[in-house]
Amino acid sequence: GDSVTQMEGPVTLSEEAFLTINCTYTATGYPSLFWYVQYPGEGLQLLLKATKADDKGSNKGFEATYRKETTSFHLEKGSVQVSDSAVYFCALRGGKLIFGQGTELSVKP
Amino acid sequence: NAGVTQTPKFQVLKTGQSMTLQCAQDMNHNSMYWYRQDPGMGLRLIYYSASEGTTDKGEVPNGYNVSRLNKREFSLRLESAAPSQTSVYFCASSEVRDYEQYFGPGTRLTVT
Repeated sequence: GDSVTQMEGPVTLSEEAFLTINCTYTATGYPSLFWYVQYPGEGLQLLLKATKADDKGSNKGFEATYRKETTSFHLEKGSVQVSDSAVYFCALRGGKLIFGQGTELSVKP
Repeated sequence: NAGVTQTPKFQVLKTGQSMTLQCAQDMNHNSMYWYRQDPGMGLRLIYYSASEGTTDKGEVPNGYNVSRLNKREFSLRLESAAPSQTSVYFCASSEVRDYEQYFGPGTRLTVT
């Protein structure tokens, strides 16, 4: 069945460092892909999405490109801030919406 | 526009007690969902309602019941709470089933 695998956390970075959180998926067909973010004590918020191969989703300085050939949707940001500290979830929608386990990011000043 | 609201925010129950978690959305979405979030387990779907008048089991439905009261409201009931139901519960909604979901702030439930 469909599945999503994220890199394990926690990931700890210094402010202004480059961020990559890896996400790979297994699915039949052409799923839509999402990144959600969960700030401490809050619910999940949609961060960005891509609906077809080679699409790039972007929001708040974060980007992710739908790579069908490598079945990946890695999240990147060029310069992280302390306020980016959160848990990030990769998700896919094939027949249903499936979430990865989440990757905790901690950014230190 | 409040989005998805949940009540209560926190709750402590004793084993065997019952309670209902309330969820409402003001986005006119068709589909609504209940998830639980536990450390190391990610998000697990308990029940969902694809449209008003329908409900279906998700991944972990045992010990729970739901009611889609109307298009706006979707409640989750624990009839006889157990310590294994200690968790954070999230309600979500989407215009299209399983597509972009909007989440509430969560209910932190402890069962002693």
